[in-house]
Order: sequence, then C-alpha cells, then structure tokens
Amino acid sequence: EDKVVQSPLSLVVHEGDTVTLNCSYEVTNFRSLLWYKQEKKAPTFLFMLTSSGIEKKSGRLSSILDKKELFSILNITATQTGDSAVYLCAVFNNAGNNRKLIWGLGTSLAVNP
Amino acid sequence: GAVVSQHPSWVICKSGTSVKIECRSLDFQATTMFWYRQFPKQSLMLMATSNEGSKATYEQGVEKDKFLINHASLTLSTLTVTSAHPEDSSFYICSASLGGRWYEQYFGPGTRLTVT
Repeated sequence: EDKVVQSPLSLVVHEGDTVTLNCSYEVTNFRSLLWYKQEKKAPTFLFMLTSSGIEKKSGRLSSILDKKELFSILNITATQTGDSAVYLCAVFNNAGNNRKLIWGLGTSLAVNP
Repeated sequence: GAVVSQHPSWVICKSGTSVKIECRSLDFQATTMFWYRQFPKQSLMLMATSNEGSKATYEQGVEKDKFLINHASLTLSTLTVTSAHPEDSSFYICSASLGGRWYEQYFGPGTRLTVT
C-alpha cells in the first residue's frame, strides 16, 4: 500500500534555530514529491522535487530528494515565528488510472519567540 | 500565476439542506480539478478527480450521489453537498493542475462547512 510518512509529527523550537523535517515514502510509481505549508487555510506550494540530489532553495527554506533511499528533507534555517505551520509532504503516484497525490500527516512546527 | 479561488470561504447550513462550493482557476485553464476534505489535525483526503466536460472519478468510500461534482468549464468546478448532515462538517479544499500535470497542484483557500 502506498504511504508517505513524515517525522517528527510535531516540533517546538526557538526563533533562530534550524529545523529539518523528514518525509519518507513508499509509492508504486513515483513521479514527484511536493512540500506544502499549511497555516489556517489551504496548503501553499513550497517545492516540487523530481530528481535526486538537486537542492531546491527559496530564501531560508531548502529541500532535497533521495530517490534511492526514498526520502526527502525540508530545511528551514534561522526560523521565525511566521514559519509556524503544518508542513505537508505529498508524493504523486503516476500509476495509470490511480494517479493521485499521496499525503503524509504533516509536521506541526511551532516557533517560539 | 496559478491562482485558485473558492467560494464561499465558510458556510453554515441546517441539516438536510444542500450547499454548493465553487472552485475557480483565475489565471490558467484547469483541465483537471481535485476535491479534498480535511478533518481537524488530519491530512488531506482526496474525494474526487474532476475533468472538464466529463464525469468525476470518486475515491473509494465517497458517495457520488451525496457529493455532486460538476466541471463544466476549464476554469470552474463545483461541489454540491446534498442533504448535508453534521458529520459532513469539514474543511473542503479544491486544487487545480495545469494541463495534464496532475503532479503539480495549486490549492484554493478552502471552504469551512458547518452543518447544524
């Protein structure tokens, strides 16, 4: 059965800390892995990763994919209170009639001042 | 670019009534739209995949007669919750993909439905 597992489920840090969020997956027909940030509303897109070893970077956030070991990490450096959110990882299963995103449960990050 | 809107953002309705939620892609043509629901502290659950001009494909366990989906144009899909009950109270989110790129989805802001 396809699954996406995120860890930790929750995390509390202080402003300025660096955090690493993990996402491992077992998906039949991998196409891409996506990271989203969800605050009070719907998820907002962060990164899409399709190739191993190529870091995607946006400001203080970066992410990388390892297709051999089937995982991805999302790094946030110099965290700010505005980074507090649930970070969702999803993997797209590209298998024929069952193409869809498989979602993890998310990591709830709280950044304290 | 790739902006998706939803309307309404929240709605309260009485048990037994029907509620329609609209999802629009504002600056692109969305061949495919997706409807999700999310319960508190849980992840997104795909309800159905909607292709423009054809019937939606529902996920196992989702009642197609209760959750009516219409995707009549390349920029609009609607979800109607028929004869709503309190257990239908949830956060409903739509997403849209560019052309056939289902692996890259852009989400609307969601609709909070409360059935009393």
